[in-house]
Amino acid sequence: QQQVKQSPQSLIVQKGGISIINCAYENTAFDYFPWYQQFPGKGPALLIAIRPDVSEKKEGRFTISFNKSAKQFSLHIMDSQPGDSATYFCAASIGASKIIFGSGTRLSIRP
Amino acid sequence: DGGITQSPKYLFRKEGQNVTLSCEQNLNHDAMYWYRQDPGQGLRLIYYSQIVNDFQKGDIAEGYSVSREKKESFPLTVTSAQKNPTAFYLCASRMDRGEGGYTFGSGTRLTVV
Repeated sequence: QQQVKQSPQSLIVQKGGISIINCAYENTAFDYFPWYQQFPGKGPALLIAIRPDVSEKKEGRFTISFNKSAKQFSLHIMDSQPGDSATYFCAASIGASKIIFGSGTRLSIRP
Repeated sequence: DGGITQSPKYLFRKEGQNVTLSCEQNLNHDAMYWYRQDPGQGLRLIYYSQIVNDFQKGDIAEGYSVSREKKESFPLTVTSAQKNPTAFYLCASRMDRGEGGYTFGSGTRLTVV
């Protein structure tokens, strides 16, 4: 019930394409859904986050789509660039409690 | 600049030694967390603390210990009881109320030699 399931495990996208990473959850009490980006040898950094009262949030080329009824949310990276190559983690939490992370997606953008 | 400082960046441990990883934050965050990350793997929670002088075990606490004597500091000790300590260790902090996710440090890579 506390898990966040993330797919795919790895993803290769051509430069300029759209990268899509999906996550699903069971606990309907989750009320905060962040995405983190991690480069090799660095700590994860908060990329974008959404709350369940909205269905979509966009920041530049990054968009979160949220489907409350399906208990799914996804990250879309438009016009993917080689600099976007990183590991992405979806996550969820209840209030200010500890954040539950997905297993991560290693994204590679081919030039 | 506010942030989280982890030190050292690289640490080598001999078999049977205890080592302590430092984590300091100047964000005035209430809660602090320690995660372990193995190569190509996700984040596993070791310990967390939501208030000074109090902390809770995470999913993989065996072989680790922590203290939270100051709001700014949350050191992690990897004891000799941790049989496979080689990993990348990440410290994070978060406000105890309001919006916002974790802020992570830059990590400590621990290697057993």
